[in-house]
Amino acid sequence: KAGVTQTPRYLIKTRGQQVTLSCSPISGHRSVSWYQQTPGQGLQFLFEYFSETQRNKGNFPGRFSGRQFSNSRSEMNVSTLELGDSALYLCASSPFRGDRGTLEQYFGPGTRLTVT
Amino acid sequence: DAKTTQPTSMDCAEGRAANLPCNHSTISGNEYVYWYRQIHSQGPQYIIHGLKNNETNEMASLIITEDRKSSTLILPHATLRDTAVYYCIVRVGGTASKLTFGTGTRLQVTL
Repeated sequence: KAGVTQTPRYLIKTRGQQVTLSCSPISGHRSVSWYQQTPGQGLQFLFEYFSETQRNKGNFPGRFSGRQFSNSRSEMNVSTLELGDSALYLCASSPFRGDRGTLEQYFGPGTRLTVT
Repeated sequence: DAKTTQPTSMDCAEGRAANLPCNHSTISGNEYVYWYRQIHSQGPQYIIHGLKNNETNEMASLIITEDRKSSTLILPHATLRDTAVYYCIVRVGGTASKLTFGTGTRLQVTL
């Protein structure tokens, strides 16, 4: 079974621009989460989507947004980029197991965003 | 979520068992223990999780103490490819999203 895929893998943008990152979950997984990883802050949760609805949101400004499509693929968008947004953005998918909810998460390789 | 405490770093000789401890003394009854690892510049990799019984899979074993206040991840025969940062995370079952990653344990496997 193919793993989580993220595109693009690397991206360079300029301050003030916006960016859209894409994530395709493992087939059959309906939950997709996004994380930001920086050397200073470590891995931080951005948001989670399930069945096209945002279920959880981390403590990030409104410039960070996301969505999920009916095929479970997800995108996240960052508007008005700042230098501090340079990071590795990770997507993770989870199998939803009915009343047991989501358990383990499977991460993609990430998109490394550099803002100059 | 319960707070976890892990040693900052550990060394292990290749071929030996790597035992990575995690303290979670404030864990509540419905919280699971999850372990992930992250090899440099890659996404975190799920290893194993458990509630109160010991668990084993093809990657590792998870030993949870009877009072559930601590656990140990065991890599039975460590290889150089197991060099990574290992994260112990406690989370309510059914809500595995919104994981809170601490600083983890940096495991260095050496020849």
